[in-house]
Amino acid sequence: GNSVTQMEGPVTLSEEAFLTINCTYTATGYPSLFWYVQYPGEGLQLLLKATKADDKGSNKGFEATYRKETTSFHLEKGSVQVSDSAVYFCALNTNAGKSTFGDGTTLTVKP
Amino acid sequence: DAGVTQSPTHLIKTRGQHVTLRCSPISGHKSVSWYQQVLGQGPQFIFQYYEKEERGRGNFPDRFSARQFPNYSSELNVNALLLGDSALYLCASSFTDSGANVLTFGAGSRLTVL
Repeated sequence: GNSVTQMEGPVTLSEEAFLTINCTYTATGYPSLFWYVQYPGEGLQLLLKATKADDKGSNKGFEATYRKETTSFHLEKGSVQVSDSAVYFCALNTNAGKSTFGDGTTLTVKP
Repeated sequence: DAGVTQSPTHLIKTRGQHVTLRCSPISGHKSVSWYQQVLGQGPQFIFQYYEKEERGRGNFPDRFSARQFPNYSSELNVNALLLGDSALYLCASSFTDSGANVLTFGAGSRLTVL
């Protein structure tokens, strides 16, 4: 079956630090890959996506590249802000409704 | 346009009771999925409905059931509640069931079972 493994958290960084959150996956077929963000008390919001190998998803300074050879989709940002503090989830789809999520990584950015 | 709306936002039940959670998808979205998110974990897939037909079911007991109405809204029902059913229940909609489609999530219904 499909599975997603995320870097364990929590992660605490100072403002303007570089962020990497690792994500690897196991899937049958050719999944689409996603990063979602969840702020306290809210549902999940799409951060970025990539639908085929070597695609790079990007949004709000965050980037992730679909690496089929290493089955990875690591999230990066060059300079984090306090407002980036949230829980980040890596996910894969082979069918839009039946997504498989990682357990989430909590990011805290301190001023 | 309104996003995915869920009701109620919070509810408290006791063991053995029944609960019904409701979801209205984004206008034009025909696929609705339900997820259970236990504190500290990622969402776990419960059901997907597309064009009013069940398209998938996760590893949940028969106490969990769902349906989708002609207007594409959906209900999730849980019978004989257990303490372990306490969680945030998320509804998500998408235009089709293609894997490339993005899921749009509601804010969730937080269920506490005492």
